[in-house]
Amino acid sequence: GAVVSQHPSWVICKSGTSVKIECRSLDFQATTMFWYRQFPKQSLMLMATSNEGSKATYEQGVEKDKFLINHASLTLSTLTVTSAHPEDSSFYICSVGSGRSDSAQYFGPGTRLTVL
Amino acid sequence: GQQLNQSPQSMFIQEGEDVSMNCTSSSIFNTWLWYKQDPGEGPVLLIALYKAGELTSNGRLTAQFGITRKDSFLNISASIPSDVGIYFCAGQPSGTASKLTFGTGTRLQVTL
Repeated sequence: GAVVSQHPSWVICKSGTSVKIECRSLDFQATTMFWYRQFPKQSLMLMATSNEGSKATYEQGVEKDKFLINHASLTLSTLTVTSAHPEDSSFYICSVGSGRSDSAQYFGPGTRLTVL
Repeated sequence: GQQLNQSPQSMFIQEGEDVSMNCTSSSIFNTWLWYKQDPGEGPVLLIALYKAGELTSNGRLTAQFGITRKDSFLNISASIPSDVGIYFCAGQPSGTASKLTFGTGTRLQVTL
């Protein structure tokens, strides 16, 4: 399976600031990457699908202007949480997939965001 | 968003016991995936199922893709302490490339 890294692994920021999280596919050229959010003791919820060279597709209820996604290369997607607030504190996890309908997804180690 | 029904929600078992958990959906899936997540880490893929009726093993783990395409189960035989964690099922809806819907999770705790 694919090896995926995320940076940073954790970040603490002040309310109103922006935070950028990187997701890298280390051994696989990923045309598609996915961003999930996970609150404590809950399951993973898909936020958006990141497509290399085109705009991301956001799930219903996820603000595209607040969660900016850039997928500039086949190995890197970034998620920027703009004007972060305490309710944005969560565990953000990315995954990579081949884009085929029968493809498994491989996840990064996650980024813990705490907004004070 | 939609989530799959996963049961049991949590379970305490003794080392050496077998474990069974399942996942059900109201809609059809093309693919079923089972992941394990340890605290503070991302999910790790355990087993992928691509055909209805398929039975696949990975060491002590066995999973099956239900014939109706609306359910799947995961069995763990002879559990050991490192099996502790949260197990998630995930399905890829028919006609939707790669998009996953996750189950609610089963928290497994193993006692010596």
